[in-house]
Amino acid sequence: AQSVTQLGSHVSVSEGALVLLRCNYSSSVPPYLFWYVQYPNQGLQLLLKYTSAATLVKGINGFEAEFKKSETSFHLTKPSAHMSDAAEYFCAVSDQPYSGYALNFGKGTSLLVTP
Amino acid sequence: KAGVTQTPRYLIKTRGQQVTLSCSPISGHRSVSWYQQTPGQGLQFLFEYFSETQRNKGNFPGRFSGRQFSNSRSEMNVSTLELGDSALYLCASSLASGNEQFFGPGTRLTVL
Repeated sequence: AQSVTQLGSHVSVSEGALVLLRCNYSSSVPPYLFWYVQYPNQGLQLLLKYTSAATLVKGINGFEAEFKKSETSFHLTKPSAHMSDAAEYFCAVSDQPYSGYALNFGKGTSLLVTP
Repeated sequence: KAGVTQTPRYLIKTRGQQVTLSCSPISGHRSVSWYQQTPGQGLQFLFEYFSETQRNKGNFPGRFSGRQFSNSRSEMNVSTLELGDSALYLCASSLASGNEQFFGPGTRLTVL
C-alpha cells in the first residue's frame, strides 16, 4: 500500500527564515503526492500537488515542493516564513492523478513561526 | 460559492449510543468523502460516495456507515459508540471521483 512518512512532528522557524517540511513516500507505482495545510478549527486546504507533469511544483502562499524519485521524497519549502504560516501540514499520497478519494495522509507536522 | 458545511460542529455522546453526522457539499459537487482525524492515528479515509453509491471504503468496522442523497448531501453514522471513536470527522467534496477535494471544517465528536 502507498504511504507517506513525515519527518518531524514539530518544526519551529523564525519569521523570515526558510521553511522545510519533510515527506518521504513509499509506493510501488508512480505516486500522486499532495501537501495540505490545516489551520486551527478548520478543514484541510490543498497547497500543491504532484501529478508527474513537473518535478518542481509551485503552490499557493509561496510554497513549493520538489519530487525526487531517487530519494523518494517530496519536501515542502518556503523561502521566507510568515507568522500566518503557523499551522499543521500534511503530506498525502494517492494512486489517483488528482486529490481524489482514498488519500493516505502522513501524521502531520506542526509548524511554529516565532517572531 | 459556499464551501462544504458540516453539522453539527461539536457533539458529545456516551458509549453505546449512535450518532449521525451531516455533510453538505459544494453546489454541483457529486462526490463526498469522509475522513477520521485522531491524534494517534492521524487522518484516515472512511469512505467515498458518488451519485448515491459508495465507491470506495477504508479499513473501518461495520459500525461506521454512510449514505448519500440525491442532492449529494451525505450522512455518516456510527453505531455503538466507543471511546476510541472520539475524533474530528472531516467531509470533503469534489466535482466527481478523482477530482480535487475541498474539505469542510469538520465535526468534533467526543465519546464519554
